[in-house]
Amino acid sequence: NAGVTQTPKFQVLKTGQSMTLQCAQDMNHEYMSWYRQDPGMGLRLIHYSVGAGITDQGEVPNGYNVSRSTTEDFPLRLLSAAPSQTSVYFCASSPTSADTQYFGPGTRLTVL
Amino acid sequence: AQTVTQSQPEMSVQEAETVTLSCTYDTSESDYYLFWYKQPPSRQMILVIRQEAYKQQNATENRFSVNFQKAAKSFSLKISDSQLGDAAMYFCAYRRLLSGNTPLVFGKGTRLSVIA
Repeated sequence: NAGVTQTPKFQVLKTGQSMTLQCAQDMNHEYMSWYRQDPGMGLRLIHYSVGAGITDQGEVPNGYNVSRSTTEDFPLRLLSAAPSQTSVYFCASSPTSADTQYFGPGTRLTVL
Repeated sequence: AQTVTQSQPEMSVQEAETVTLSCTYDTSESDYYLFWYKQPPSRQMILVIRQEAYKQQNATENRFSVNFQKAAKSFSLKISDSQLGDAAMYFCAYRRLLSGNTPLVFGKGTRLSVIA
């Protein structure tokens, strides 16, 4: 098993550009989520999904979209990047909504 | 809303010694999980240990153990025989034992340095 994979590892965007952060897991986990990590803030939930076709907002959803067309994939889209979105982004998955979450390696995003 | 507090932004320990990282949390739930995650410079979030709130016995994983005090809402991590590879950020996290929206709620972390 590859576990949770994320691409790219690093990305630099200009303000206003859009892009998609990819997340995939091969463990057949139902629950997937996106967090962002900012200095001194811990990790905060952006969006989550409890299964294919079902997504919902977390604590800091503004400026981000998600979809879950398959169990394996949970991409995060930045519609119009802003400097405030400079952060490290983590995707995580767990078998259910009440299990240990396993994290991908993270994507460091810089918005200029 | 649940909150997790780590009151020690930084800690240091001599190699081979023991160190304890503190964590307190606030919740009105009775069933939940508590976790300690380690984040080395590589940024990877690595699960160190997990505790189910309904279990009275403290979880142990090799050199890592917890002191779980449910009534006090305290969940400290003890690292024995500290090694250089233990140097990292450590995050305490809480998760409700329900369906639906059950994100991990993280503390702000404790940076642990290990001195050779």
